[in-house]
Amino acid sequence: GNSVTQMEGPVTLSEEAFLTINCTYTATGYPSLFWYVQYPGEGLQLLLKATKADDKGSNKGFEATYRKETTSFHLEKGSVQVSDSAVYFCAPTASGGSNYKLTFGKGTLLTVNP
Amino acid sequence: NAGVTQTPKFQVLKTGQSMTLQCAQDMNHNSMYWYRQDPGMGLRLIYYSASEGTTDKGEVPNGYNVSRLNKREFSLRLESAAPSQTSVYFCASRITDTQYFGPGTRLTVL
Repeated sequence: GNSVTQMEGPVTLSEEAFLTINCTYTATGYPSLFWYVQYPGEGLQLLLKATKADDKGSNKGFEATYRKETTSFHLEKGSVQVSDSAVYFCAPTASGGSNYKLTFGKGTLLTVNP
Repeated sequence: NAGVTQTPKFQVLKTGQSMTLQCAQDMNHNSMYWYRQDPGMGLRLIYYSASEGTTDKGEVPNGYNVSRLNKREFSLRLESAAPSQTSVYFCASRITDTQYFGPGTRLTVL
């Protein structure tokens, strides 16, 4: 089955700092790759995704590129804001089929200070 | 459009008690999921339902049962709660490759 290794947190940054959260995965076949975000007290929501090699997903200033050769999908943002404080989850999934189960990483807690 | 709703938000049980967590979605999605979230463990899949009338075990199904009552509703039942089931439970529904999550139920078993 799939597995995910995500950068251990917590990560604490000052506002406007550069963010990288590393994610590597093992999977059979050619998974789609996702980053989900969980704001305090809420459920998860999709942040961005990439469905094939070399695709770049982007949303709200965050980016991640599907690197098949290194099986990685690192999350980056050039200038973080206090409102980005949340837990971030990397998740590959198997493509096709009707089940589309996700394998979540353990999550990385990001705290951004003003 | 409420999305995915879950009830209750909080629950405290004693060991051995039973309860059902409710989940409903109004997005007409076929697939629904139940996860549990524990500190340092990420989310783990308990059960899922690819469509109305079908359910399948996920990674951690022991101690749980589910019912896909209709297309909208997918409930999770704990027949005899144990302290190891203290967790935050999330329901999700899916369209194409994106899952939409409810706000969660925080369950404590004493």
